Amino acid sequence: DTGVSQNPRHKITKRGQNVTFRCDPISEHNRLYWYRQTLGQGPEFLTYFQNEAQLEKSRLLSDRFSAERPKGSFSTLEIQRTEQGDSAMYLCASSLSNTEAFFGQGTRLTVV
Amino acid sequence: RKEVEQDPGPFNVPEGATVAFNCTYSNSASQSFFWYRQDCRKEPKLLMSVYSSGNEDGRFTAQLNRASQYISLLIRDSKLSDSATYLCVVNGGEYGNKLVFGAGTILRVKS
Repeated sequence: DTGVSQNPRHKITKRGQNVTFRCDPISEHNRLYWYRQTLGQGPEFLTYFQNEAQLEKSRLLSDRFSAERPKGSFSTLEIQRTEQGDSAMYLCASSLSNTEAFFGQGTRLTVV
Repeated sequence: RKEVEQDPGPFNVPEGATVAFNCTYSNSASQSFFWYRQDCRKEPKLLMSVYSSGNEDGRFTAQLNRASQYISLLIRDSKLSDSATYLCVVNGGEYGNKLVFGAGTILRVKS
């Protein structure tokens, strides 16, 4: 499978715990995006990378969220001290510069 | 005003019907436009890019009106399998390289 891969697919965690998600983009894609989606809403932008550089981060993203793409390939999104409001689908997408983006199947986070 | 606004729906149509979705965007400098389709509890998938001259892909036609900052999607001869949420997406201008999504329009095609 040469599409965007995300792990885990589902994560249930207790409030206050830290979680980390992984995204493996399509191999030749230089851009990688993270989005969050809740029921009835469109995907909400979190951050994006051009190769290994994090070029933009949403103002909605609190200090508890951090993302990395150390070698310009896979990326991780960490949420520290999770809150119930963090429960959502976390989507990763990749693209070649200004072409269309392709999404992974997402990681569904439930904070209890 | 939201950056990208769509008809809220849901649109409930019979098989074979023609249905049109509208989308408006607030950033006049936007450069790229897309329609994505999202099935329930699945990831968004690209349906089609939207070009200035308008474009067609089978039963689907997309139109762009830059002056009115308006995008449309027309689906002809609706199939049951067209039932999904359709997301309008804008990129460029003050949005930079991020994709900005509308909230989506739900389509339900019934037999």
